[in-house]
Amino acid sequence: AQKITQTQPGMFVQEKEAVTLDCTYDTSDQSYGLFWYKQPSSGEMIFLIYQGSYDEQNATEGRYSLNFQKARKSANLVISASQLGDSAMYFCAMRDKLSGSARQLTFGSGTQLTVLP
Amino acid sequence: KAGVTQTPRYLIKTRGQQVTLSCSPISGHRSVSWYQQTPGQGLQFLFEYFSETQRNKGNFPGRFSGRQFSNSRSEMNVSTLELGDSALYLCASSPMGVAGGLNTGELFFGEGSRLTVL
Repeated sequence: AQKITQTQPGMFVQEKEAVTLDCTYDTSDQSYGLFWYKQPSSGEMIFLIYQGSYDEQNATEGRYSLNFQKARKSANLVISASQLGDSAMYFCAMRDKLSGSARQLTFGSGTQLTVLP
Repeated sequence: KAGVTQTPRYLIKTRGQQVTLSCSPISGHRSVSWYQQTPGQGLQFLFEYFSETQRNKGNFPGRFSGRQFSNSRSEMNVSTLELGDSALYLCASSPMGVAGGLNTGELFFGEGSRLTVL
């Protein structure tokens, strides 16, 4: 069974507007971590934000926030005030005890975000 | 602080050849992991090294191998290349030790080595 699902292959957003990228996950563990990475055309994966399963508050990092709904097993990324430089592929990822190690992430298929001027 | 450095950035090989990719982690990071990214399969975990030992391996054939040196630099090797090995190979380093918890820290990725097999 797929562990990370990103249902939006592509998204468009107007510059300066907010956008939400969806991510649902599946795990039987109580302890797990959720990540969002950004991949521009250069190929490098850039860490954006992290949410631990026991964190009571939604994670925030600057313009990025994670809308964590544990019961629904969703971890949506919200980007506020979109900028042209936000155009990239965005990946949701998870690691849990079944991952094998703390460095083994399971990635979703990604969402290609395009910010329009 | 220098980031993760991967070499070469681009390379073209033919079927049956072998290839070696190199990864220099961030200074002080002792864990290196490798991922393969293809349009069809997405991002998949290859293996992880810590203290010169392979700690974990993904579901890839034995043609894929790697090693880590005492300075934490890592190499991965793919032998008898197949067309399906064409991919972006990403290396990630982490400061976490073997005992690093699940809910701590992120991976720091390089820009990858883009391999094309003809």
